Amino acid sequence: GAVVSQHPSRVICKSGTSVKIECRSLDFQATTMFWYRQFPKQSLMLMATSNEGSKATYEQGVEKDKFLINHASLTLSTLTVTSAHPEDSSFYICSARGGRWTGELFFGEGSRLTVL
Amino acid sequence: KQEVTQIPAALSVPEGENLVLNCSFTDSAIYNLQWFRQDPGKGLTSLLLIQSSQREQTSGRLNASLDKSSGRSTLYIAASQPGDSATYLCAVQETSGSRLTFGEGTQLTVNP
Repeated sequence: GAVVSQHPSRVICKSGTSVKIECRSLDFQATTMFWYRQFPKQSLMLMATSNEGSKATYEQGVEKDKFLINHASLTLSTLTVTSAHPEDSSFYICSARGGRWTGELFFGEGSRLTVL
Repeated sequence: KQEVTQIPAALSVPEGENLVLNCSFTDSAIYNLQWFRQDPGKGLTSLLLIQSSQREQTSGRLNASLDKSSGRSTLYIAASQPGDSATYLCAVQETSGSRLTFGEGTQLTVNP
């Protein structure tokens, strides 16, 4: 299947700093990528839909100024957590559509953010 | 608003047992349904995808069925192994390439 890569897999930062997470589609072009957040023992919560060349669409309750999403190319989307606080500590996962006709979505390995 | 429910939330079985995981969704107007596996601290691995026009899909010891009209899907795992221990998530997609709506997952433990 299609491959989606996330980097870094783990990051620890101090409160108040900003952290950037990258999501790459390695063997296909993705016009749309999705960013999810997952709390321990809970399911995935969609944060935003990232569209190549245009602004991201955020879900209700997600602060767009805090979670900056950029989708500058067909193979790369980035999520920047600005002025991170301990409550932003979470597991962040991106996904992209790999199957043009099936609509199948493939997921990255996830990024564990810990804010001290 | 689409809601996806998975039952049971957790399941513990001895090795070798056949088992069924259940998934239900409230809006039957779906494009497809996917089953995923998630190991602790890891991302999601796609297991099976069933298009809305299909009734089932099989991959190795896994078989997923879909009854779109009743809003149900099952994931059947044959001859379970300790390596099958993980959280299994089902998710529905309402249009091609759109967001996925996830269930809460079933945490499976297969004991040797």
